[in-house]
Formats: sequence, C-alpha cells, structure tokens
Amino acid sequence: GAGVSQTPSNKVTEKGKYVELRCDPISGHTALYWYRQSLGQGPEFLIYFQGTGAADDSGLPNDRFFAVRPEGSVSTLKIQRTERGDSAVYLCASSLSGSYNEQFFGPGTRLTVL
Amino acid sequence: ELKVEQNPLFLSMQEGKNYTIYCNYSTTSDRLYWYRQDPGKSLESLFVLLSNGAVKQEGRLMASLDTKARLSTLHITAAVHDLSATYFCAGMDSNYQLIWGAGTKLIIKP
Repeated sequence: GAGVSQTPSNKVTEKGKYVELRCDPISGHTALYWYRQSLGQGPEFLIYFQGTGAADDSGLPNDRFFAVRPEGSVSTLKIQRTERGDSAVYLCASSLSGSYNEQFFGPGTRLTVL
Repeated sequence: ELKVEQNPLFLSMQEGKNYTIYCNYSTTSDRLYWYRQDPGKSLESLFVLLSNGAVKQEGRLMASLDTKARLSTLHITAAVHDLSATYFCAGMDSNYQLIWGAGTKLIIKP
C-alpha cells in the first residue's frame, strides 16, 4: 500500500508570501502529525490531528501557521507572511489511531524562504 | 517536560567495528523510539521499546531500554557502509507527542 505522501517536495518562496503544504496520509490512519526539521536537528512537533479536529496544536510557533484536515484524510499546512526563519523541511506523519501507535513519515517538503 | 539527549552527535567509524549510540531522557517516557534518516530522505522506524529491560535486534543493530537509568542504547555490531545514516531517538511525553534527540550522524568508512 502507499505510504504517506507530501507535495510539493520542494518549495521556494519569497519573504512575505503565503504557502500551502499538503500531506496525504496512509489510508485508514486517523491520526496525522506535522513536524518541522531544521538542518542538523531532530523533528520539532507542530500539530496533531485526530480525525478532522486538531487534538494538539501547541507546537505551532505563532499565528502565521495554521493547518486543516477537513475530511479527516488529507491535511494542509498553511503559512502566512513567510519569514526566512520558516525555512526547514516540513514532515508529515500518520498513525493508525494516535496515542501509542507507530508513526509513519512522509518524504517531507523542503521550504526555502528567500 | 521531557527532554532527550543523544551522544555522540557525530560518529565516524571503520567497517567491521562495534559502537554504541546513547540516548538519555529527562523524565518518564512510556516508550522509546529509534529512527533512521538517510540524507534527503524521510524517517524510517527501526525500533519501539516498550518497557524496562526491553531489547530488540534487527540485523547488525540492537536497541535496549533502561527506564530506571532513563537510558536507551543503539548498538552497532560489525558495521557496514550501508548503515551510514543519521539515527534519532525519541521519547513520548504525557500528551503522546514524540520528543526527539538531535540525531547522531554515523559515517562508516570502508
């Protein structure tokens, strides 16, 4: 079966622009996670969805970041007024039902803000 | 607040040698995860350690967990070039979030 997919694989944008990053989880996985990974560091938690609702958004750095999962499957991470510090690899993961279930990661979207 | 520290952060070793990566964590973690990441690739799950004394092995990699010492180790036996990658450990906090170490970049030379 297909794994977690993310699009685009690379995104270059200019400071101040708006970007959307998409995640398509493994079919049947109700839990979906967004992480951000900077060079040479481990992933940093951003937000966790259980079904359509954000169960935990405590990792979103500020109100420029927002994520949705309207039908409980595909999720979109939205970043407004991008800043150079937002440059990172954005990883999405899904798991069967959250909590202790193993998380499967997508290939990531490399975002570069010029 | 759970914090996870790995050491070393960088390791260069010869093929055929043995070595251990250490993962310390600050507070109770119900389980401990090990992941592998190749350059430009995503994270691949290696092991999930569920309880004190847990030991899991896959090929030349063996992971163990000591919850009393708040320590997990990833041991590499007779390293081969294909094991070159960055290895991450992660604990799980009370909100079921994975808290990650900074990673150990492993380079294995022929």
